[in-house]
Amino acid sequence: AQRVTQPEKLLSVFKGAPVELKCNYSYSGSPELFWYVQYSRQRLQLLLRHISRESIKGFTADLNKGETSFHLKKPFAQEEDSAMYYCALDSGAGSYQLTFGKGTKLSVIP
Amino acid sequence: DAGITQSPRHKVTETGTPVTLRCHQTENHRYMYWYRQDPGHGLRLIHYSYGVKDTDKGEVSDGYSVSRSKTEDFLLTLESATSSQTSVYFCAIREGQGNEKLFFGSGTQLSVL
Repeated sequence: AQRVTQPEKLLSVFKGAPVELKCNYSYSGSPELFWYVQYSRQRLQLLLRHISRESIKGFTADLNKGETSFHLKKPFAQEEDSAMYYCALDSGAGSYQLTFGKGTKLSVIP
Repeated sequence: DAGITQSPRHKVTETGTPVTLRCHQTENHRYMYWYRQDPGHGLRLIHYSYGVKDTDKGEVSDGYSVSRSKTEDFLLTLESATSSQTSVYFCAIREGQGNEKLFFGSGTQLSVL
C-alpha cells in the first residue's frame, strides 16, 4: 500500500529565508506526486505536480526516486506563503485516488 | 473553476442521528470524491464515484454510505452519526483532460455532539 509521510507538523521560518517542506513516500510502482495548499479559510488547491516540472509562486519540487522524496522548496519565503501544505500520491489504479500526507503548517514570520 | 458546491457549509447534530451531505457539480465530471480532514490525519478518502451508480470505498468508509443517482450530485450519508465523525468533509472532482487534478469544494464543517 502507498504511504505519504510529512515529518513536520509545523514549520516556522522568517520572511526571506529559504523554505523546504519534506515529503517522503512509499509506493511499489511509478508514482505521480503532487503538492496541494490550503490557505486560511480557503479550499484546497493544487500547487504543483511533478510531471509538470513547473514553478508555481516560486515553489519547486523534484521527485527523487532513489530517496523516495518529493520535497517542496522555495528560496525566499513570503508572508503570503503561510498555509497548510499537503503532499499527495496518485495510486495509479486508474481512478485517480490521491493518498495524502498529514500536512505541514507553514508559518512565515514577518 | 469546476463549479462545485457543498451543502450545508456547517452542521451540528446529535449522536445517533442520520446526516446527509451534498456535493453538486455543474460540469459533468465523471469522478467525484469524499474526503475528511482531521488534525494530525490530513485528508483521508471516504468514498469515491466513477459514474452514475458506480461507487467504491476509500480508506475510511466504515460508518458512511454514498449515492450517485445523477452525474451532478454525490451524496454522503452518515447513517447514525458518532462523535468520531466530527470533521471537515471535502468533496472533490477530477478535472481536466491530459492535465488531471482534483478540484475541491469549500468543505462542510460537521460537529456531532
